[in-house]
Amino acid sequence: GENVEQHPSTLSVQEGDSAVIKCTYSDSASNYFPWYKQELGKRPQLIIDIRSNVGEKKDQRIAVTLNKTAKHFSLHITETQPEDSAVYFCAARGGGADGLTFGKGTHLIIQP
Amino acid sequence: DAGVIQSPRHEVTEMGQEVTLRCKPISGHNSLFWYRQTMMRGLELLIYFNNNVPIDDSGMPEDRFSAKMPNASFSTLKIQPSEPRDSAVYFCASSLDRAGLQPQHFGDGTRLSIL
Repeated sequence: GENVEQHPSTLSVQEGDSAVIKCTYSDSASNYFPWYKQELGKRPQLIIDIRSNVGEKKDQRIAVTLNKTAKHFSLHITETQPEDSAVYFCAARGGGADGLTFGKGTHLIIQP
Repeated sequence: DAGVIQSPRHEVTEMGQEVTLRCKPISGHNSLFWYRQTMMRGLELLIYFNNNVPIDDSGMPEDRFSAKMPNASFSTLKIQPSEPRDSAVYFCASSLDRAGLQPQHFGDGTRLSIL
């Protein structure tokens, strides 16, 4: 089955700086890669996703890049703000499966 | 539009008791997923349904866990008998299609504590 590794587990950045979270996956047939943001005690919320036929996708301050050859994908947040503080999860949908395999999460801390 | 609705939000019960968690997917969505979240293991897929039919239950940890989807608007996850190690947050999610290329939307979860 699919295996997703996520780094770092904790990331602290100054407000206004950029944050980058990286994930690798094992199943070369994986074709869908969403990112979820989870605030304490709340549900995971989709913030951006990318499909395997696209290399990059942007939505305002958030962007995701995908390198299928290397089997890794990254989340980029620019001009970070205090409300960006949360746990971020990457996920992958493996070939032949519908459920998502999640990374272990990155706790993003925005320092004022 | 109402999102995925789960009940109860919190459940505290003693070990050995039966626990039933409930989920109502977003109207029109035909895929439903049950996930479990713990600090140690993160978010894990337990089972998913497509058009009310269980497709993959390989993530269900033991025979004590069972899930049903009697119709398109309702699913249950049952634990019988419950054990302290079942304590976790259980999330239900739904999506629009089987192909898996549509986003999964999560409910608010059920925080389960087994004493």
